[in-house]
Amino acid sequence: GDSVTQMEGPVTLSEEAFLTINCTYTATGYPSLFWYVQYPGEGLQLLLKATKADDKGSNKGFEATYRKETTSFHLEKGSVQVSDSAVYFCALKDDYKLSFGAGTTVTVRA
Amino acid sequence: GAVVSQHPSRVICKSGTSVKIECRSLDFQATTMFWYRQFPKQSLMLMATSNEGSKATYEQGVEKDKFLINHASLTLSTLTVTSAHPEDSSFYICSAITGGLGEQFFGPGTRLTVL
Repeated sequence: GDSVTQMEGPVTLSEEAFLTINCTYTATGYPSLFWYVQYPGEGLQLLLKATKADDKGSNKGFEATYRKETTSFHLEKGSVQVSDSAVYFCALKDDYKLSFGAGTTVTVRA
Repeated sequence: GAVVSQHPSRVICKSGTSVKIECRSLDFQATTMFWYRQFPKQSLMLMATSNEGSKATYEQGVEKDKFLINHASLTLSTLTVTSAHPEDSSFYICSAITGGLGEQFFGPGTRLTVL
C-alpha cells in the first residue's frame, strides 16, 4: 500500500539557518503530495502541496518539489524563524485518503 | 481557512467506561469527516471515513463495535470509544472536507487517557 517515510527528528536549528526535511513515498498510482504543519496546541494546517511530477509547492518561504524519479518531496526553507517551530508532516493522497509520515519536530532557537 | 473544532481536548477515564469525542466544522458544511489516531512519535493512522447520514467506512483492523462513529449532520461527527481500555489511550484527530476531493481541514485533536 501507500506509505510515506520522513526524516526523524527532533531537529534543532538557530534562527536564519537552512532547514531541510527529507520525505520519500511509495505509491501505486500518481498521488498528490503535501506538507502539513502543526503548531503547538493547534490542528494540522496545509503548508504546501504538489499534484504532479516536477510541480513545486511553496508557501511562507517553504518549498518542496515533486520528484517522481526519486519518489521524494523534500521540504526546504532558506532562513528559518522562531515562529517556524512546529511539527511537520509529509503526506500523500491517493483518491481521497491521506497517508502521513511520522512527523518531524523542528525547534528554532533565537 | 475553514475551522474544525474538537471537544474535549483532553479526557481521562476509567477502564471499562465509554468516551464520546465531538468534531465540528464551524464555518462550512462537511460532507465527509475523517477520524485518525496518532500514537507518540508515529504518523496519523486513518481509522474511518464518515459521510453525513450514512454508515462510516472503517479501515482494516479498526473495530467497528469499539469505535462508534456517528455523522448525524453536516457539521457534527462523533467518535465514541466504548468500554475503553488503557491500550485505547491515544491522540484522536478528526478532519473534514466539503465536496468530494476538497482540502482536508483538521481539528486540534483529543488526548484520551484510559486508567
